[in-house]
Amino acid sequence: YELTQPPSVSVSPGQTATITCSGEALPKQYASWYQQKPGQAPVLVIYKDTERPSGIPERFSGSSSGTTVTLTISGVQAVDEADYYCQTRDSSAPWVFGGGTKVTVL
Amino acid sequence: QVQLVQSGSELKKPGASVKVSCKASGYTFTSNAMNWVRQAPGQGLEWMGWINTKAGDTVYAQGFTGQFVISVDTSVNTAFLQIYSLKTEDTAVYYCAREGLFEEFDYWGQGTLVTVSS
Repeated sequence: YELTQPPSVSVSPGQTATITCSGEALPKQYASWYQQKPGQAPVLVIYKDTERPSGIPERFSGSSSGTTVTLTISGVQAVDEADYYCQTRDSSAPWVFGGGTKVTVL
Repeated sequence: QVQLVQSGSELKKPGASVKVSCKASGYTFTSNAMNWVRQAPGQGLEWMGWINTKAGDTVYAQGFTGQFVISVDTSVNTAFLQIYSLKTEDTAVYYCAREGLFEEFDYWGQGTLVTVSS
């Protein structure tokens, strides 16, 4: 089972970054998103497809449609430059991560 | 506040074993499952396995059976990952991650670098 993410996304400061994650189980399972900066542990930024944990800025939002979930970063800042991973449950694994997307702020 | 504090970096020779610990604080340890995630150098996150911290039952990902053992000691609120017969390709950062109410990994340890080299 796989979750497919684009390897990289580039965005200018103040613009919107959109990261997609595709997988057949996504219509039936919740997805989460994690931010990971170099040398640091991952941090949960979205859970239950659209929910934002306390302390995560409002510019981070999640959405879901069919076999694709999307992480949107509105008004991107330099501090948002990081790797982002989606994750969901899988009947065989039972957890799986996407391959990760490197967000570069130009 | 919830904290997961992992043991320090390890340097091991091929064929040796290592035991990584993850000490939890700030919540009732047996209320949440614990997961382990591997990240090889320059690579993505890879789920390894899960433990029910109350009952002790475990589930492992394909490719992580046999060589890897996850356990807990509830008397000290600590989860463990033991790796046997280490190979150079086991060189990675290993993370523990608490499972939240909605199947998310809501808190992570700081990671433990295990280096396997002769």
